[in-house]
Amino acid sequence: EADIYQTPRYLVIGTGKKITLECSQTMGHDKMYWYQQDPGMELHLIHYSYGVNSTEKGDLSSESTVSRIRTEHFPLTLESARPSHTSQYLCASSESGLRGRSFFGQGTRLTVV
Amino acid sequence: AQTVTQSQPEMSVQEAETVTLSCTYDTSENNYYLFWYKQPPSRQMILVIRQEAYKQQNATENRFSVNFQKAAKSFSLKISDSQLGDTAMYFCSSGNTPLVFGKGTRLSVIA
Repeated sequence: EADIYQTPRYLVIGTGKKITLECSQTMGHDKMYWYQQDPGMELHLIHYSYGVNSTEKGDLSSESTVSRIRTEHFPLTLESARPSHTSQYLCASSESGLRGRSFFGQGTRLTVV
Repeated sequence: AQTVTQSQPEMSVQEAETVTLSCTYDTSENNYYLFWYKQPPSRQMILVIRQEAYKQQNATENRFSVNFQKAAKSFSLKISDSQLGDTAMYFCSSGNTPLVFGKGTRLSVIA
């Protein structure tokens, strides 16, 4: 049902590599978010954006960076992957207004070896 | 700043029984919404139910209802007639600016 897409779904990559996790939504939402989540565990907010050219860091310190050049696109980049980055990364977007519900992608499961 | 606390890491319930998941929150906003989201195993997270803080009437969506106690800043989720498909992680959220969650409650529905 949700029109928010993450690619790739699974990624195994070597230490030191640069990676970009893609997130796109077709709902025109201004608010977008990235979370880090170990399987079955809590969600940690690592980045969010309230619109084009707006990005903020979340509560969890992260070595990743994000950009928001287009409303529909919110990629996350790791310049140099490390085993400690192994986790699931979830992207979400929210409808405007206090009542706005959020939609979530299927996640990218990243393994750094 | 908003904080959300879910004090039950795991719960289980027999099929067809009722279970209540707890959530407390803190916010400095005057008007806000509260949300419960469900994350089934290996599937996308989806909205279960939402409640406006200014409404005294508790929200209901089919088998899901909330018990909203504004003064106590409590927002619990009641699932009636539990089904196997209700097995999931459940996350409580206070607002969407930014979107933050409690630590989640893992609910297992047992046949």
